[in-house]
Amino acid sequence: QQQVKQSPQSLIVQKGGISIINCAYENTAFDYFPWYQQFPGKGPALLIAIRPDVSEKKEGRFTISFNKSAKQFSLHIMDSQPGDSATYFCAAVDTGRRALTFGSGTRLQVQP
Amino acid sequence: EPEVTQTPSHQVTQMGQEVILRCVPISNHLYFYWYRQILGQKVEFLVSFYNNEISEKSEIFDDQFSVERPDGSNFTLKIRSTKLEDSAMYFCASRGRQGSRDEQYFGPGTRLTVT
Repeated sequence: QQQVKQSPQSLIVQKGGISIINCAYENTAFDYFPWYQQFPGKGPALLIAIRPDVSEKKEGRFTISFNKSAKQFSLHIMDSQPGDSATYFCAAVDTGRRALTFGSGTRLQVQP
Repeated sequence: EPEVTQTPSHQVTQMGQEVILRCVPISNHLYFYWYRQILGQKVEFLVSFYNNEISEKSEIFDDQFSVERPDGSNFTLKIRSTKLEDSAMYFCASRGRQGSRDEQYFGPGTRLTVT
């Protein structure tokens, strides 16, 4: 029940395209959903986050869509760039634990 | 911009040896975490620390692991007797003051290689 399921495992997108990564969860106690970006050899960097009281949050080219009833959330990267090539992790935090539960990661490759 | 720092960046040790991984969290943060990432896998929670005590630990964090905040700036993870399966990237993270938002900020990690 603590799991966060992430798909796809890998994604190839052309420059300028839209990258979409999906996550699903079961634990209804999750109340905070961040996305992290990780480059090889580096630590995860917080990209954008959302709480379940809103259905969408946008920051620049990055948008989180959140569907509370379906217990799903997704990251959309508009106008994808080669510099966006990285591994993306969704995560969730529940009201009791506050530790991050990570999804399995999506390796994004944006081709020039 | 404040950041979490970790040392060393890479540690090689022999099986059965003790290792200490060090972290300096962001200075006004109160909540501290250790996570690990086995090569090619997801990031896994190990332990959280608040007010000088462990607030939560995962099943990975067994008696071989311990954490300490020896002074006002450092936060350490000790592995008492390393095993081959402890080889991983270890990330320290910190979070802000009580009542603040939930953002956890990660350090660059320590790559631990157990031979």
